[in-house]
Amino acid sequence: EAQVTQNPRYLITVTGKKLTVTCSQNMNHEYMSWYRQDPGLGLRQIYYSMNVEVTDKGDVPEGYKVSRKEKRNFPLILESPSPNQTSLYFCASSLSWTGSEKLFFGSGTQLSVL
Amino acid sequence: SQQGEEDPQALSIQEGENATMNCSYKTSINNLQWYRQNSGRGLVHLILIRSNEREKHSGRLRVTLDTSKKSSSLLITASRAADTASYFCATRVNGANNLFFGTGTRLTVIP
Repeated sequence: EAQVTQNPRYLITVTGKKLTVTCSQNMNHEYMSWYRQDPGLGLRQIYYSMNVEVTDKGDVPEGYKVSRKEKRNFPLILESPSPNQTSLYFCASSLSWTGSEKLFFGSGTQLSVL
Repeated sequence: SQQGEEDPQALSIQEGENATMNCSYKTSINNLQWYRQNSGRGLVHLILIRSNEREKHSGRLRVTLDTSKKSSSLLITASRAADTASYFCATRVNGANNLFFGTGTRLTVIP
């Protein structure tokens, strides 16, 4: 089944403890992206990747890192999480980024930073 | 600043009625897409309309696009309880490597 898989689904951590949220897609998609969703603010892009080894900042990249060493995986890294990073996170992918591709989303990761 | 904003923020209707949601955006776009989100789950793509199209249909969905007014509407006909969800418009701005999402319309369909 074609899908974007995120793990974990829920995560509670403490300030400053490094964490990684994994994202994997099995559709051979070139484009991958991370979003955070906060009440009243909609979805905001954190980072995106046009292809392997090509990543760039979105609208809210501060406090996050990403890597794209393989086409299927695009992990989101929080080196030193803070309470303002408490949010619902989504990974998404599309075949490419040439104009009319739709995004496929993972099920989300609810992160709470205490 | 947000590219797309939906209106209304929340909508409650009876099963069988039609639901209309609107989206306004600020700059020229390549295309506009509508997504659905069930209760904190991942978004699911519903329909895409290109900037040179005015109307598009998919099943019970009808989307219109007015580029002169920078607005779009999503009509769900003969709504069902299972249509209860949040609906988001997303715009693809020319030259951008992102889809800009609005804050969504929360639709409740009462059985």
